[in-house]
Amino acid sequence: DARVTQTPRHKVTEMGQEVTMRCQPILGHNTVFWYRQTMMQGLELLAYFRNRAPLDDSGMPKDRFSAEMPDATLATLKIQPSEPRDSAVYFCASGLAPSYEQFFGPGTRLTVL
Amino acid sequence: GESVGLHLPTLSVQEGDNSIINCAYSNSASDYFIWYKQESGKGPQFIIDIRSNMDKRQGQRVTVLLNKTVKHLSLQIAATQPGDSAVYFCAETLQGGKLIFGQGTELSVKP
Repeated sequence: DARVTQTPRHKVTEMGQEVTMRCQPILGHNTVFWYRQTMMQGLELLAYFRNRAPLDDSGMPKDRFSAEMPDATLATLKIQPSEPRDSAVYFCASGLAPSYEQFFGPGTRLTVL
Repeated sequence: GESVGLHLPTLSVQEGDNSIINCAYSNSASDYFIWYKQESGKGPQFIIDIRSNMDKRQGQRVTVLLNKTVKHLSLQIAATQPGDSAVYFCAETLQGGKLIFGQGTELSVKP
């Protein structure tokens, strides 16, 4: 059955290292979202794409975070350099505009030591 | 010092009772609202949605009520079951399909 997949599911790294998280949206979906979830801030939208073009990345710290869609089946979120405050669960979601419904992946739990 | 996490509002109900989870939204221009359920270790899962031109929508065991006058949403779960235990988020949709999530309510169902 169709679902959003994310890799890795868990990542532990040291401060200063580069982290890349990957997402495979549901085939045929044209919108991809990246969220971050922490106890302090809840679920925050970092960036989203429609038809592979970035629409909004205002929620993302620009100096260290970058999001891309190399092709329609892959979205990446990169942090370089990573910091302990980046520790969170990162979710990818996809949808088929104009529907607003979003389907979430299982998340990547990132721990930066 | 050590950071302190937010404590989510918690609703504790007996199995078989009805549950009502409330949510206040912020943007009067929002025209679409969704309730999500998030179980421990998983991503949010769609439960039910409602458009701003409606005030009530029913699904299987769930009902969403929308009061635009006071910018309030509620999720009603009938005959709550242990499998309903989770964190429930409301989300409002802004222009372009951007979702803004509420802080969440933790539902605990006692057998």
